[in-house]
Amino acid sequence: DVKVTQSSRYLVKRTGEKVFLECVQDMDHENMFWYRQDPGLGLRLIYFSYDVKMKEKGDIPEGYSVSREKKERFSLILESASTNQTSMYLCASSPGQSETQYFGPGTRLLVL
Amino acid sequence: QKEVEQDPGPLSVPEGAIVSLNCTYSNSAFQYFMWYRQYSRKGPELLMYTYSSGNKEDGRFTAQVDKSSKYISLFIRDSQPSDSATYLCAMSRNTGTASKLTFGTGTRLQVTL
Repeated sequence: DVKVTQSSRYLVKRTGEKVFLECVQDMDHENMFWYRQDPGLGLRLIYFSYDVKMKEKGDIPEGYSVSREKKERFSLILESASTNQTSMYLCASSPGQSETQYFGPGTRLLVL
Repeated sequence: QKEVEQDPGPLSVPEGAIVSLNCTYSNSAFQYFMWYRQYSRKGPELLMYTYSSGNKEDGRFTAQVDKSSKYISLFIRDSQPSDSATYLCAMSRNTGTASKLTFGTGTRLQVTL
């Protein structure tokens, strides 16, 4: 069974704070993804990575950065959190050139 | 216009009903089609995966793809209260590296006793 875990289920942060969201997968998948999910907008891709130390921008990368130092771990960083980054953040992974992605449970982030 | 359109619902049906969930899309390059189920406050889980046009059946679930009409469907037979969730369609083009998925916004389904 594929397991994708995220470091926190709920987070509350203040405007301007630096926020780290961690994602770990245990299936040796090459690809990892970060999405945010908002009502009426669905899932939107922030960044993805197809290999260690490789990253590519998704559809909404502004205000975010990522880090992938090890194959199993993909971190999303909010350099200076803002209230419009309040959202549900979902991490996913997929093997090789497979289309199917496996999601973690999500982190609900509230920025005050 | 969004690349993938999906009616947000909510769709409310009685237990035992046949449910039809649908998505339309505009990009003819999409080749891979998926349905995810997402329970409240959880991450999406993969339900069905199909390549190109045709039908695929898995237990009470049937996925249908009509590429000529740019229309995909998920049918749920003998619906159960445990099927109450949001259903997301997703599709991709397979660009050779990590394939990016384009999601619909999801349809919320409620199956009542």
